Order: sequence, then C-alpha cells, then structure tokens
Amino acid sequence: GESVGLHLPTLSVQEGDNSIINCAYSNSASDYFIWYKQESGKGPQFIIDIRSNMDKRQGQRVTVLLNKTVKHLSLQIAATQPGDSAVYFCAETPSPRMGGGADGLTFGKGTHLIIQP
Amino acid sequence: NAGVTQTPKFRVLKTGQSMTLLCAQDMNHEYMYWYRQDPGMGLRLIHYSVGEGTTAKGEVPDGYNVSRLKKQNFLLGLESAAPSQTSVYFCASSYHSGGVYNEQFFGPGTRLTVL
Repeated sequence: GESVGLHLPTLSVQEGDNSIINCAYSNSASDYFIWYKQESGKGPQFIIDIRSNMDKRQGQRVTVLLNKTVKHLSLQIAATQPGDSAVYFCAETPSPRMGGGADGLTFGKGTHLIIQP
Repeated sequence: NAGVTQTPKFRVLKTGQSMTLLCAQDMNHEYMYWYRQDPGMGLRLIHYSVGEGTTAKGEVPDGYNVSRLKKQNFLLGLESAAPSQTSVYFCASSYHSGGVYNEQFFGPGTRLTVL
C-alpha cells in the first residue's frame, strides 16, 4: 500500500544550528503535505503545510521543501531551540474526493529531534 | 475557544468490556477524524466523518464503531475491547473549503489500556 516514511528515527543537533528533517512518500497522487510536531504526552501540533502546486513554503523559522520528482519532503528549522525538541511527523493526503469528502492523513513514523546544549 | 477536547484522558479496560470515547470541537468544523497511535508509530486513521450524520472507514476500522449525531461531537465506540486496542487515541477536526484540503487540529489524546 501507499506509505509515508522518514529517513531517520532520531536526529540530534546543537542548539542554534539548523535542523533538516526528511520524509519520503510513495503515493504519486498525494496533493497536500503537512508537518506536525508532537511533544511528549500531547497531540500533534500543526507546523506548516504545502500543496503539490508549490515546491517551497516558509513560516516562522521553518521552511518546507517539496520535490515531487523524487517524492521527497523536508522540514528545515532555523536556529534550533530547546523548545523544538519533539517528534516530527510528515503526513500526506491525495486530493479530496469528488463531492467534498476527505480521507484522513497518512502519517510517517516520525523523527525524534534532540537538541544538544 | 477550547479547540478539540477528548474525554476521558485515561482509561483501563478488561478484555471484552465496552466503552465510548468522546470528542468535541467548538470550531464549527465539518470534518472529524479518529486516529490511533502505537509506540514508535505514526497515527493511523480509524474512522472519519465529513458531516453530521455521516461516517466512513479509515485504514484500521475493525473493532470500532463511530457516530456523528451532532456536528460538534464525534464518538468512538469499542464494543468488546481487546488487548490489541491498547493505544493512544487522537481525535482531530478540519474545516471544509470547496474541496480543498486543510490542516487538522488535534485533541490531547486518550490513553487506553486493555488488560
């Protein structure tokens, strides 16, 4: 079946450095991509999203890059802070069905970002 | 706004018992979802709803039932709990905008243990 996955289960970075978290997806029909941050004991929190008609989108300290040719998604976090320590999930979904219905998101397994002081 | 809330936060069941998890959202969202998250895994979709009175199966629907009698509530039921249903359950909601997908807002989760 279709899947979304991450290349590394754990990423350790120095405080102040930039972090890059990668994600590969296999569903060529994927139309919408989203990154979530999940802190221990909490629900996923939206970070940034991107649609398939774009290849880059920037937020506050975060940038998402989409390469549809190789089905690759990345999240860049600038000047990583201790509060960025969490598990990061990429997720995707194809276009909503005719009639306005929408499937849920397909999540990758997650990357645990560890911040070294 | 409270956003998405879930009741209860924790629950321990014995095999064969039944229970209902309640999800409520105050954002007037059309779409609501139930996911489960197992250790070291991403979230997997159980069931979802695109509006009041409608539900649909997700990736892992077996052993669960859902109901959406009111727009703001989405209930997840376990009729006969099994140890394999030990997991953390997350509810989410999203708004509809002309067929364009939008971000989902998640609740804090319900940690369920089935003995």
